Amino acid sequence: NAGVMQNPRHLVRRRGQEARLRCSPMKGHSHVYWYRQLPEEGLKFMVYLQKENIIDESGMPKERFSAEFPKEGPSILRIQQVVRGDSAAYFCASSPPSLGTQYFGPGTRLLVL
Amino acid sequence: GENVEQHPSTLSVQEGDSAVIKCTYSDSASNYFPWYKQELGKRPQLIIDIRSNVGEKKDQRIAVTLNKTAKHFSLHITETQPEDSAVYFCAATTGSGGYNKLIFGAGTRLAVHP
Repeated sequence: NAGVMQNPRHLVRRRGQEARLRCSPMKGHSHVYWYRQLPEEGLKFMVYLQKENIIDESGMPKERFSAEFPKEGPSILRIQQVVRGDSAAYFCASSPPSLGTQYFGPGTRLLVL
Repeated sequence: GENVEQHPSTLSVQEGDSAVIKCTYSDSASNYFPWYKQELGKRPQLIIDIRSNVGEKKDQRIAVTLNKTAKHFSLHITETQPEDSAVYFCAATTGSGGYNKLIFGAGTRLAVHP
């Protein structure tokens, strides 16, 4: 059973470009969470999704950031018009329907030049 | 909203000693408390978790205790080994069964010296 998959693992963007991060949950998991980790800091919740629904987006900036988890395919975190402050590691976690334990993917390290 | 404080921020021990990391939370409705270990450049890995209906849980050299009255929980690692060196994060959530955002502590950098 493959774990949570994320791609790309590293992403370099120039200011003003778009960043698109993908997350495939573990098989059988229907809940996806996105967290951001700034260098030398803890993890901050961004958004919680189930298939085709955003359950809680209270941690996501109102502008430039969006997330989706379509019926088919991976969950996507999209950052428009990136700025240097968006440079961070973005982790996705998933949990199964019967138990809320969250398992993390390897993360995408975004660097904005 | 929920706030989780974690202490100490750094911890240095000799191999074979015990290590204790403490966390406090603010929301009395919190009911699920996982601990994650993160090695440099790697993903956070769940090492143990506890739910609010349990006071203590143990898994080999790792144990977690929960004091709901005082709103704090602790991670205990016995007989530490160099491979235990990592950053440890505690977290709390109020969601039913853990289905909710995890609020993380700031992390404890543990160094185990041979």
